[in-house]
Amino acid sequence: AQSVAQPEDQVNVAEGNPLTVKCTYSVSGNPYLFWYVQYPNRGLQFLLKYITGDNLVKGSYGFEAEFNKSQTSFHLKKPSALVSDSALYFCAVRDISFADSGAWSYQLTFGKGTKLSVIP
Amino acid sequence: DSGVTQTPKHLITATGQRVTLRCSPRSGDLSVYWYQQSLDQGLQFLIQYYNGEERAKGNILERFSAQQFPDLHSELNLSSLELGDSALYFCASSVLVPSEFNGYTFGSGTRLTVV
Repeated sequence: AQSVAQPEDQVNVAEGNPLTVKCTYSVSGNPYLFWYVQYPNRGLQFLLKYITGDNLVKGSYGFEAEFNKSQTSFHLKKPSALVSDSALYFCAVRDISFADSGAWSYQLTFGKGTKLSVIP
Repeated sequence: DSGVTQTPKHLITATGQRVTLRCSPRSGDLSVYWYQQSLDQGLQFLIQYYNGEERAKGNILERFSAQQFPDLHSELNLSSLELGDSALYFCASSVLVPSEFNGYTFGSGTRLTVV
C-alpha cells in the first residue's frame, strides 16, 4: 500500500518568513501526491497536486510544493508566511484498491497532519 | 461552499444510542468516502461507495454501517455509541475516471459528541 509521512507534528514560523511543511512518500509505481489544508472547524480544502510533469507545483493561496524523486519527498512551501496560513496541513497519496468483486477504486491515504502556526 | 453537503453539523447524543449522518456529494461525483477525525487517531478512512456499490472498506467498526442511495447521497449509521466515538466525521466525494481524478472534495463535517 502507498503511504506518506509527515515527520513534524508542529511547525512554527514568523510572519513574513518562508515556510516549509515536510512530507515523504512510499509508493510502488508513479506517485500521485496531494496537499490539503484544514482550518479550525472546517473540512479539508485542496491546495495542490502532483501527477506528472514539472517538479515544482503551484497551488492555491501562494503555496507551492517541490517533488523530489531521489529523496521521495513532496514538501509544501511558501515564500512569505501569513498569520492566516495558520492551520493543519495534510499530505496525501493516491492508492488503488480492489474489492472482492474485482472492482477497483481510488482512495487517498493521508499523513497525520502538521499544525502550522505563523507568529505575528 | 465546496459542493459537498453534510448534515447535521453538530450532534450530541448519549452512550448506547444510534445516529445517522448524511452526505450529499458534489454534483457529478459518483464516489463518496467517509472519514473519522479524532485528536489521537488523525484522519481514518472508514468506507467508500461508488454509484451505490461499496468499493472499499477501511477501519470501520462493525457497529458502523453506511449506504449510498440511487440519488447518490450517502448515510453513515453509528450504533451502540461509545464515548470513544466522539469525533469529526467527514464525507468527501470524487470522480473515479482515471484521467479526471483530482483528489477529493470534502464536506465541512459533522461533529459528534457522545456523553
